[in-house]
Amino acid sequence: KAGVTQTPRYLIKTRGQQVTLSCSPISGHRSVSWYQQTPGQGLQFLFEYFSETQRNKGNFPGRFSGRQFSNSRSEMNVSTLELGDSALYLCASSPGGQSSYEQYFGPGTRLTVT
Amino acid sequence: AQSVTQLDSQVPVFEEAPVELRCNYSSSVSVYLFWYVQYPNQGLQLLLKYLSGSTLVKGINGFEAEFNKSQTSFHLRKPSVHISDTAEYFCAVSELKTSYDKVIFGPGTSLSVIP
Repeated sequence: KAGVTQTPRYLIKTRGQQVTLSCSPISGHRSVSWYQQTPGQGLQFLFEYFSETQRNKGNFPGRFSGRQFSNSRSEMNVSTLELGDSALYLCASSPGGQSSYEQYFGPGTRLTVT
Repeated sequence: AQSVTQLDSQVPVFEEAPVELRCNYSSSVSVYLFWYVQYPNQGLQLLLKYLSGSTLVKGINGFEAEFNKSQTSFHLRKPSVHISDTAEYFCAVSELKTSYDKVIFGPGTSLSVIP
């Protein structure tokens, strides 16, 4: 099976712009989670989608949003970018449901905000 | 509330020496436990997991971990490390009371293997 793919791998944006990141989960996986990773804050949970519905949400401002499509692919959007949004954004997929806590990660998208 | 502590932010160790990376968690309910590894410029890869059964869990690349419920710990060990083990290691916990796939990660431990 192909692994989790994320596009683009690298992105440079300026403050105030918006950005959309994409994640394609492993075939058959229905749950997609997003994380922000920075040297100072470590891995922080953004949100999780299952069957096109957001099930969990971390403590991030409303500028961070996401969605999931019927084929389980997910997108994450960040509006009005700030310098502090520079980070590695990781997507993880899992089969979903109640007993599938094992997550498979993509390589991440490195976002740099200037 | 669920939380994960990794007591050592950096662990230097000589090649072929043993290593232990410590992880403690707090939770009022039963948990699933995981260790992930992250190599530079890559995503996280699952090393091993504890769901139930034997408290000694073996994973990939020669790593193993032991679940200690009374001490709420899940320490990762390897008897002899290799240069290629240099990476960031994350302990993660998921509480069984939730119906959803929510995993809390520790801050990570940077393992540096010295030749």
